[in-house]
Amino acid sequence: EVRLVESGGGLVKPGGSLRLSCAASGFAFSSYTMHWVRQAPGQGLEWVSSISVSSLYLDYADSLKGRFTISRDNPRNSLYLQMDRLRVDDSAIYYCASRLGGEAFDIWGQGTLVTVSS
Amino acid sequence: STELTQPLSVSVALGQTATITCGGDNIGPKSVHWYQQKPGPAPVLVIYRDSVRPSGIPERFSGSNSGDTATLTISGAQAGDEADYYCQVWDGSSAVFGGGTKLTVL
Repeated sequence: EVRLVESGGGLVKPGGSLRLSCAASGFAFSSYTMHWVRQAPGQGLEWVSSISVSSLYLDYADSLKGRFTISRDNPRNSLYLQMDRLRVDDSAIYYCASRLGGEAFDIWGQGTLVTVSS
Repeated sequence: STELTQPLSVSVALGQTATITCGGDNIGPKSVHWYQQKPGPAPVLVIYRDSVRPSGIPERFSGSNSGDTATLTISGAQAGDEADYYCQVWDGSSAVFGGGTKLTVL
């Protein structure tokens, strides 16, 4: 079964840091670009970041302004998102996702909730 | 950069046809993808490359894209189709989502 499982979310104070993880199984993780997508409470979907198969190409949403760092560990079938200098408006469910079919996001994790609050 | 505009809400009577639009400057040449999200779970892909249904998606879901507007059509809407729907395109290597449309089945 193709599966993505996120972890690492929680409550953090503004200015703090958090590292999210995404464990992949059931497919050749090392062959696919991976993405993070977030959804603030009651809001729509927002693409956050992507990382190529070899970690050579990293992309981020302009709104993040260098506060987030995406990485991956192919032997461990794992994706990460290091989030620093967190702000209240970073509060969201964070999903990892990929395009196994090469077109659209056809695989999503269940998401992990990040709450930034004092 | 690409911006996608969706109506906030669409209502449809049970069994009738629902149409959800996604507007963007000349998005016709781009591939538009559509996701369904019910409360709680992650989004599910229902249409990709404008009009292709993934395996397991009912035939009542269809899509089109031309000019400045892409359209998701749900024929014979059922109560279980009530959800939020998002369109999405690729702008280079970045994904761009529409704001989402809440579909209510009356």
